[in-house]
Formats: sequence, C-alpha cells, structure tokens
Amino acid sequence: QVQLQESGPRLVKPSQSLSLTCAVSGGSISSGGYYWNWIRQIPGKGLEWIGSIYYTGSTYYNPSLKSRVMISLNTSETEFSLKMTSLTAADTAVYYCARGGIQLWSCVHFWGQGTLVTVSS
Amino acid sequence: SYVLTQPPSVSVAPGQPARITCGGDFIGLKSVHWYQQRPGQAPVVVVSDDRDRPSGIPERFSGSNSGNTATLTISRVEAGDEADYYCQVWDMSTYHVVFGGGTKLTVL
Repeated sequence: QVQLQESGPRLVKPSQSLSLTCAVSGGSISSGGYYWNWIRQIPGKGLEWIGSIYYTGSTYYNPSLKSRVMISLNTSETEFSLKMTSLTAADTAVYYCARGGIQLWSCVHFWGQGTLVTVSS
Repeated sequence: SYVLTQPPSVSVAPGQPARITCGGDFIGLKSVHWYQQRPGQAPVVVVSDDRDRPSGIPERFSGSNSGNTATLTISRVEAGDEADYYCQVWDMSTYHVVFGGGTKLTVL
C-alpha cells in the first residue's frame, strides 16, 4: 500500500517562497510509471490541482499557477517536491501530495494527509 | 478552460437515494472520477472512470456519464455518507486536471 507524507514549513511570509516535500513509502517513484500530484484546498473551499509530474520528469501545471510553481523529483527516488514563489495570503491552504494512475486521465488513488500552510507576516 | 459544475448542496433523508451531478461540455467523452471528503480528512475516490468502484467502497455508490452530465448515485444514503463530493476529469485540450466545485451532501 502506497503512503504519502507531506513535509515543510507551516508558516510562510508574504512574497516568500514555499518548498514542500512528499515522502513516498511502499514503492519508489521511478519504478511505477505513475503520475505524482500536488493539490491544494483553501480552507472552506474546493480542491485545486497545482500540477503533476511523471516518473520520467515530465511536468504539467495548472495554468493559473504555472508561472509560480515547479514540481520536481528528488534524487532519492522516494520523494518529490513542490516549490511555489511569490506567496500571498491567497495561497493559504492545505497542500496535498497524491499519486495518480498510469495515465494522465487516471484518478488520484492515494493521498497524503495534507499539510496546512499559512501565509502571514 | 474546462469547467465542471456541481450543485453546492444536496440534502436527502436516510435510506433514500442521493444523486449528485457534474456538468461539463461533452463530459460523456471524458473519464470522470468522484471523491468523497469528510471534514478534516483527505479525499477518497469512491468512483473512478465513470462507474468503477474501488475496493472497499460500498455497492451503494455508483456512477454514470453521458452527454453533458455525469452523476454519482448513492442508492441508500446513510448518516456516514455526509461529506463533500467532488468530480474530476483530465482536460486533454489543455493538459490539466479539473475538479468540480464540490457538493455538500447533508443527510437529514
């Protein structure tokens, strides 16, 4: 069973950058051929897809966030990361990492528990 | 960009069926996934690829998709089904994931 766990700062100042890491257990990222995702949820609001990365390193981003976001695979093969720049209060949200399927259109089967990131001075 | 439209809320009495719709242009040509999210928890997929039910999901949950509307049906609603439900597709024209706005299911 795949498990995912987000880690990173809980509080970020406006205009600063956010770096989150997702640790994957129960398998390596490079071996499975899956898509790995970052998804966020502003408190009280719906789910917003941030972007996806394939095990080969190909990336896909939400057009509304693309200019501020980068998703990458870590050399450990069991982690992937999210970097988001120029944060504002509107970026305060629960950030989830999640594993999709072997196709771009597959569902997101496995989710981390999520980590609340607050953007505030 | 592709838009998925869900009703903000649906209310149903226990034991009655609940139907949650997800509207989108020619959504019947896409694979639709449905997620259940209870307060404070991560989403859980309850129906994938229009009508497939993952292991562990009760048979009461089913999905359909045709034309411009996909539907999640819970045949006999229980108190534990009270949650937010989201539909999701992959938009091939823009290469990105799209979520519906979510529907809050209230069990009366």
